[in-house]
Amino acid sequence: EAQVTQNPRYLITVTGKKLTVTCSQNMNHEYMSWYRQDPGLGLRQIYYSMNVEVTDKGDVPEGYKVSRKEKRNFPLILESPSPNQTSLYFCASSVGGAHNSPLHFGNGTRLTVT
Amino acid sequence: AQTVTQSQPEMSVQEAETVTLSCTYDTSESDYYLFWYKQPPSRQMILVIRQEAYKQQNATENRFSVNFQKAAKSFSLKISDSQLGDAAMYFCAYRSPYTGANSKLTFGKGITLSVRP
Repeated sequence: EAQVTQNPRYLITVTGKKLTVTCSQNMNHEYMSWYRQDPGLGLRQIYYSMNVEVTDKGDVPEGYKVSRKEKRNFPLILESPSPNQTSLYFCASSVGGAHNSPLHFGNGTRLTVT
Repeated sequence: AQTVTQSQPEMSVQEAETVTLSCTYDTSESDYYLFWYKQPPSRQMILVIRQEAYKQQNATENRFSVNFQKAAKSFSLKISDSQLGDAAMYFCAYRSPYTGANSKLTFGKGITLSVRP
């Protein structure tokens, strides 16, 4: 089944404790991206990757890191999480950066930072 | 930069009735793509329908259709014969024709649709 897999679905952590949210897609998509969803703000892009080894900042990159060493994987790293990073996170992928291809989303990761 | 506005935070519809969700956007580009995504309580993001700006014909997917008014920069979603399973948050989204930073989806804030039995 074609899908984007995120793990974990729920994560509770404390301020300053490094964490990684994994994302993997099995559709051979070139383009991958991370979004965060907050009430009243919709979804905002954190980072994106046009292809392997090519990543760039989105609208809200502060406090996050990503890497794209393989085509299928695009982990999101919080080196020192803070409470304002409490949010719902989505990984997404598409065939390319092509405008007509829809994004396929993972099931989301609910992160709470205390 | 493009912006997407969903001005109604909540709407309600009677089961089997029709409801229209509004969306407007601002862009200086002539070619672009528009999407509606559904997010049920399971929080999955599900693509409902998409529209290419160069196409004059409004997109249709079963009970879902759009009213795309390019000059007015309006992209509303019509749900016919509403079902209980349509209850969800709906997001309107814009995608530029260019790659790189502009290849992101720009989302509206969403609208919560409830369906009354």
